[in-house]
Amino acid sequence: AQSVSQHNHHVILSEAASLELGCNYSYGGTVNLFWYVQYPGQHLQLLLKYFSGDPLVKGIKGFEAEFIKSKFSFNLRKPSVQWSDTAEYFCAVAYSGAGSYQLTFGKGTKLSVIP
Amino acid sequence: DSGVTQTPKHLITATGQRVTLRCSPRSGDLSVYWYQQSLDQGLQFLIQYYNGEERAKGNILERFSAQQFPDLHSELNLSSLELGDSALYFCASTRRGLADYNEQFFGPGTRLTVL
Repeated sequence: AQSVSQHNHHVILSEAASLELGCNYSYGGTVNLFWYVQYPGQHLQLLLKYFSGDPLVKGIKGFEAEFIKSKFSFNLRKPSVQWSDTAEYFCAVAYSGAGSYQLTFGKGTKLSVIP
Repeated sequence: DSGVTQTPKHLITATGQRVTLRCSPRSGDLSVYWYQQSLDQGLQFLIQYYNGEERAKGNILERFSAQQFPDLHSELNLSSLELGDSALYFCASTRRGLADYNEQFFGPGTRLTVL
């Protein structure tokens, strides 16, 4: 079965620090990769996605992620975090199977940014 | 606002009871996915419906069932509730469910508390 691992459960950073959140997946076939963000009390929102093409993907709010196929990784980065980035971040993988595209999520990484 | 609505926002009930959660997808979206988010299991895919038909099943218990109606809204029925069913239940919608992946848009969730 497919699985997604997020290495950090809770990350605490000061404003302006750089961020990198790790994500690895287990599926060896063709995958679509996503990072979602969940701000406190809100629903999941898409930050960025990778389907094909350039493995460096730029998303909203200055986030980017790099797909490294050989490492089965899709790490999320931001050069300088802000207090408003405090949220929980979920990596997710979608694969096609009998016409279904359910997402398999990692356990999430809680990011706390200290002003 | 993703365009996906879920009711109720909160639900408190007792063990052994039965509840129904409702989801209205974005206008024009044919596919509805249900996910459960709990502290110990994280975000898990439960079930998908596409245009009224069940398309895929994930980690959904036999006590749980779902359906999608002709107007495309979906209901998730949870019966013989146990304490461990306390969780946040999200639905997500996307335009297609077959052969072409689209971004899933998540609703705000229903927080279920079983006492």
